[in-house]
Amino acid sequence: DADVTQTPRNRITKTGKRIMLECSQTKGHDRMYWYRQDPGLGLRLIYYSFDVKDINKGEISDGYSVSRQAQAKFSLSLESAIPNQTALYFCATSDLVAGGSYNEQFFGPGTRLTVL
Amino acid sequence: QQQVKQSPQSLIVQKGGIPIINCAYENTAFDYFPWYQQFPGKGPALLIAIRPDVSEKKEGRFTISFNKSAKQFSLHIMDSQPGDSATYFCAASDPRYSTLTFGKGTMLLVSP
Repeated sequence: DADVTQTPRNRITKTGKRIMLECSQTKGHDRMYWYRQDPGLGLRLIYYSFDVKDINKGEISDGYSVSRQAQAKFSLSLESAIPNQTALYFCATSDLVAGGSYNEQFFGPGTRLTVL
Repeated sequence: QQQVKQSPQSLIVQKGGIPIINCAYENTAFDYFPWYQQFPGKGPALLIAIRPDVSEKKEGRFTISFNKSAKQFSLHIMDSQPGDSATYFCAASDPRYSTLTFGKGTMLLVSP
């Protein structure tokens, strides 16, 4: 989805290195999410943010940190990468529909991260 | 957040067949149940969704069946085509957190 972009698309790094994955969106949504996808494990929520000042831990936040620089930008950092953080990472955005808890999320194209 | 259990992990059907993917949940607070479709190299995209106040929803060849008492829901793909080959994820939304909990996914292959 061109409205949600992720950079880089692929990254190979070494154990112990700091790495940042970036997400930008032009959908005007307040809510942004970071997920990790591993084969057989589905999509697991790392962090989510409902606005610039509201950041929350997800299911698997250990070893990760995030920064919401603006409504449109949400970055994920690995302070000291380790091999079991090798995965496909997705950013997503959503907004509320008035009157309900409808929560369609729009996903970016993903970043494939390999930690050697 | 409660788990959403999805089965089978993979599925192979012939063109024209009707693959069925099942999901079960425990958290009765869930109030929105979407299915996402993911093609290789792409992010997941919403396919179809249902709320617990209806038992069935159809959109084209895709149907969600929902059984509130059993806390189960399923995706049926009528007249499946090779272009439907993808990974399918069920999910559930808890309005207290406004986040989605995903199943582990089903890799569907529709053979020509």
